[in-house]
Amino acid sequence: DAGVIQSPRHEVTEMGQEVTLRCKPISGHNSLFWYRQTMMRGLELLIYFNNNVPIDDSGMPEDRFSAKMPNASFSTLKIQPSEPRDSAVYFCASSLQGWTGELFFGEGSRLTVL
Amino acid sequence: QQQVKQSPQSLIVQKGGISIINCAYENTAFDYFPWYQQFPGKGPALLIAIRPDVSEKKEGRFTISFNKSAKQFSLHIMDSQPGDSATYFCAASKGGGADGLTFGKGTHLIIQP
Repeated sequence: DAGVIQSPRHEVTEMGQEVTLRCKPISGHNSLFWYRQTMMRGLELLIYFNNNVPIDDSGMPEDRFSAKMPNASFSTLKIQPSEPRDSAVYFCASSLQGWTGELFFGEGSRLTVL
Repeated sequence: QQQVKQSPQSLIVQKGGISIINCAYENTAFDYFPWYQQFPGKGPALLIAIRPDVSEKKEGRFTISFNKSAKQFSLHIMDSQPGDSATYFCAASKGGGADGLTFGKGTHLIIQP
């Protein structure tokens, strides 16, 4: 079975540009999480969805960040406009709510904003 | 506010030795405590997890010890091997993990041959 699929794996962009990160969760999973990883702050939960509905976006840094989940098999995290401090690895994870609680992570999207 | 504190930040252990990583949490509502392992360029993956109704859980060379009164839990890796070299994260959650995980900042473990 395919795991969580993220794209792009690497993105280099200039400050002010729009960045869109994409995630395909594991088929059948009904919860999806976006995390950001940096050396200074570790793994931070940005937002999560249950059954395609955003439940908690309190971790989203500011209005420049937005996330959508139009259907059960696709989610996006958008940053507009991007800033150098947004440089990080962004992970998407999915789980089957009510089961073991295990999160299955993708391989991440490494974002560099110049 | 850091809800899960992890130590040490980095750890070097000789092959065959015991690696010990510690975590402390603040929120008494947490009821699920997993450890994740991350290799370079990969996402974290679940290694082992415990719920507060038991004080210890063992899976192969990996053991979680849990102290509910002290709000602490630790990961022990017995007979550490070079292949165990990775970053380890403790985490905690309410609702059995349904609301996402709050992670510690990670421990970079190096096992020397």
